[in-house]
Amino acid sequence: SYELTQPPSVSVSPGQTARITCSGDALPKQYAYWYQQKPGQAPVVVIYKDSERPSGIPERFSGSSSGTTVTLTISGVQAEDEADYYCQSTYSSGTYVIFGGGTKLTVL
Amino acid sequence: QVQLVQSGAEVKKPGASVKVSCKASGYTFTNYYIHWVRQAPGQGLEWMGIINPSGGSTTYAQKFQGRVTMTRDTSTSTVYMELSSLRSEDTAVYYCARAGSMVIGYWFDPWGQGTLVTVSS
Repeated sequence: SYELTQPPSVSVSPGQTARITCSGDALPKQYAYWYQQKPGQAPVVVIYKDSERPSGIPERFSGSSSGTTVTLTISGVQAEDEADYYCQSTYSSGTYVIFGGGTKLTVL
Repeated sequence: QVQLVQSGAEVKKPGASVKVSCKASGYTFTNYYIHWVRQAPGQGLEWMGIINPSGGSTTYAQKFQGRVTMTRDTSTSTVYMELSSLRSEDTAVYYCARAGSMVIGYWFDPWGQGTLVTVSS
């Protein structure tokens, strides 16, 4: 079965840069998306189509893709960015959806 | 604004079925796919399937084939997700989520508020 692999946790100090990776064999052929989820809330998309940022998402959020790995970068991390982050893509020619296991971002 | 409003929390016994609703507003209902995603307590996100509100066609994740049914009512702009033969492992928050665009339908924006389904004897 197809998988997306994320690190379970990432920790950074305020003002530093956080990078969260997501690896999967189909990522060179399928777009990746990133969601932020705070406790008790529904997820919110922060990056779509690998690197596009929805309106209302701060510019410090960016996405990139290289081979089988996509990366969510948060520049100048703020305390409010502490959350779980999930990558998402598709497989089987875009028929099915898969999520990564999630990464807990801790702002020290 | 685009909004998805889900039905309230449910408590079910093992072996029963649950039907969760998701009412859409703020856009043309038939133009965007709707997905269902669930999240067990303390766990990650799990995709269950997708429905095309225009024609009603569905695709389900293999894990839920035979146990899940997604339907829609275009007159009320509402989609439904019914899960049968419930077991304790189905205890989770169930989310509906609209496709993020009409062109690429397999991402999610926005999400409903979630519906907690508890399966307990």
